[in-house]
Amino acid sequence: DQQVKQNSPSLSVQEGRISILNCDYTNSMFDYFLWYKKYPAEGPTFLISISSIKDKNEDGRFTVFLNKSAKHLSLHIVPSQPGDSAVYFCAASDIRGNKLVFGAGTILRVKS
Amino acid sequence: NAGVMQNPRHLVRRRGQEARLRCSPMKGHSHVYWYRQLPEEGLKFMVYLQKENIIDESGMPKERFSAEFPKEGPSILRIQQVVRGDSAAYFCASSPDSTGELFFGEGSRLTVL
Repeated sequence: DQQVKQNSPSLSVQEGRISILNCDYTNSMFDYFLWYKKYPAEGPTFLISISSIKDKNEDGRFTVFLNKSAKHLSLHIVPSQPGDSAVYFCAASDIRGNKLVFGAGTILRVKS
Repeated sequence: NAGVMQNPRHLVRRRGQEARLRCSPMKGHSHVYWYRQLPEEGLKFMVYLQKENIIDESGMPKERFSAEFPKEGPSILRIQQVVRGDSAAYFCASSPDSTGELFFGEGSRLTVL
């Protein structure tokens, strides 16, 4: 039972363009959503989060959008840089930051 | 300034042996979480511990797996009588409280032959 789904296993984007990573969830009790970034042989690192009371949160080149009615969130990276190439995990919880439920991840490749 | 420290980074065991994975949380963090990542999958929650207490072990298999976080020393994830299906990356995360951001270690990769 996948409560958090990332339907695109991979995404390839040209340097300087926008990267859009998508995530869908099924559990209406989720009220806090996070994106983590993971390089090979390293642990995930926190990128950005959003509470269900908001529909947008921005941090530098990274913006997360939340559409509660559609149970959908997306991460926008603009402009994309080669160093952004990594696996991006969407995660959700019903208690902020606790017992996160992760998606399967999307591999982002930014080509220079 | 050490982050979450996990060891060993790589562990090879034969079927039936025991695996012990250790996790030292970040300084000042008293909440520890263990996650498992199977190949081609996301991280799956296993257990949430505070010092000397298991708070939530709903993601932990009922048999062969146990976890502890003693008053002194690292948190330990113990897998008895390992099977090939236990081969995975095991990630530990810590946080300063129950609602804080999780900081992950680099993971321990278990291979069962």
